[in-house]
Amino acid sequence: DIQMTQSPSSLSASIGDRVTMTCRASQSINTYLNWYQQRPGEAPSLLIYAATTLQSGVPSRFSASASGTDFTLTINSLQPEDFATYYCQQSYTRPSTFGQGTKLEI
Amino acid sequence: EVQLVESGGDKVQPGTSLRLSCAASGFTFDDYVMHWVRQAPGKGLEWLSAISWRSEILGSADSVKGRFIISRDNAKNSLYLYMDSLTTDDTALYYCAKGGYGGALDHWGQGTLVTVSS
Repeated sequence: DIQMTQSPSSLSASIGDRVTMTCRASQSINTYLNWYQQRPGEAPSLLIYAATTLQSGVPSRFSASASGTDFTLTINSLQPEDFATYYCQQSYTRPSTFGQGTKLEI
Repeated sequence: EVQLVESGGDKVQPGTSLRLSCAASGFTFDDYVMHWVRQAPGKGLEWLSAISWRSEILGSADSVKGRFIISRDNAKNSLYLYMDSLTTDDTALYYCAKGGYGGALDHWGQGTLVTVSS
């Protein structure tokens, strides 16, 4: 199975900050990489698909990039509602696998 | 508006079985791959299984292979997960999700809680 490793596991930031988190795949997954946000007590929601494409309705302060097996999610100008846990997921092969998550805290 | 509503979660004893359901609305159900994902208390997301529009099973996680079976009824706009030989490690919130571009999960239900405990 493909292993997805996210870093850091947790991240402290303030309103208005710019933050970056990464996800590394254990082997090539092309651009079959998706990012999700999960706020406490809520279901996950899709932010980014195909490594860099913003899901409809997601604010433009979210962006993502890819380089080989390394993938990055960036959030510009943090808003209060952005404090959540972020997961990456590879959908290149099955079983699909998620990273362990990055918890973004104030 | 896409809606996914899971049901069937319960507190059960180890070794028993359970069937979860997911009622879908707001989209053409039989056009899409559907998935099950779970989340143990305080833990991350674990993809479980997926099924094509024509009921071809598209894979299962090793942790549930041979015990959990995904199925669907397109006439009823419903997705199912039959879970057998449940253990305490299967305690989790179970989500159904709609498949989107490239295998992304573009809509999720709110989940149904399964607790396996003696």
